[in-house]
Amino acid sequence: ETGVTQTPRHLVMGMTNKKSLKCEQHLGHNAMYWYKQSAKKPLELMFVYSLEERVENNSVPSRFSPECPNSSHLFLHLHTLQPEDSALYLCASSPGTGPLLEQYFGPGTRLTVT
Amino acid sequence: AQSVTQLDSHVSVSEGTPVLLRCNYSSSYSPSLFWYVQHPNKGLQLLLKYTSAATLVKGINGFEAEFKKSETSFHLTKPSAHMSDAAEYFCVVRLSTGFQKLVFGTGTRLLVSP
Repeated sequence: ETGVTQTPRHLVMGMTNKKSLKCEQHLGHNAMYWYKQSAKKPLELMFVYSLEERVENNSVPSRFSPECPNSSHLFLHLHTLQPEDSALYLCASSPGTGPLLEQYFGPGTRLTVT
Repeated sequence: AQSVTQLDSHVSVSEGTPVLLRCNYSSSYSPSLFWYVQHPNKGLQLLLKYTSAATLVKGINGFEAEFKKSETSFHLTKPSAHMSDAAEYFCVVRLSTGFQKLVFGTGTRLLVSP
């Protein structure tokens, strides 16, 4: 058990829907991350939060909106998505954002946009 | 720009035989390198990391990797494969600037046959 949980594990949504992905870490970490894993493409970093402040937005479209209400929780709000947004969305956390600090990953949410 | 190239998309071995997963990196600086493993329906787990303290790095589950600067390589090895090693393996480089931004390779799927 990695200490990082994600809900839901699977989500199917239409292009006009609004949904949210939730991530929770039980490790006392200060930094949290959203990644996108698409088929046949490298894992892509989307957002980084450090101490509840967004410190990295990796050119992600505005239809993805992150929220970090506290250091243990991270959300990804989704609206008007496109079929190409179908992917596995992974959340991760780390003790901080310094070098060589290991990132702990959750199991991911498999998103299908129809 | 820093990047990693995983030379094989799939590697097949028999149980009990050695494993070699290849990774080459590109970096202007002394890189920070990692290997992560992803089992089906699970999050990514850190296998090992290169910190520049030693060129031969030992990780979990009997895996190890050797940093070779002259060859810009960081190949992952294991003397004897186990059925439970079947998974996807990712070579990762940490960017030397900015926050802890990891750049992932495209992954190598390891298949282990009885």
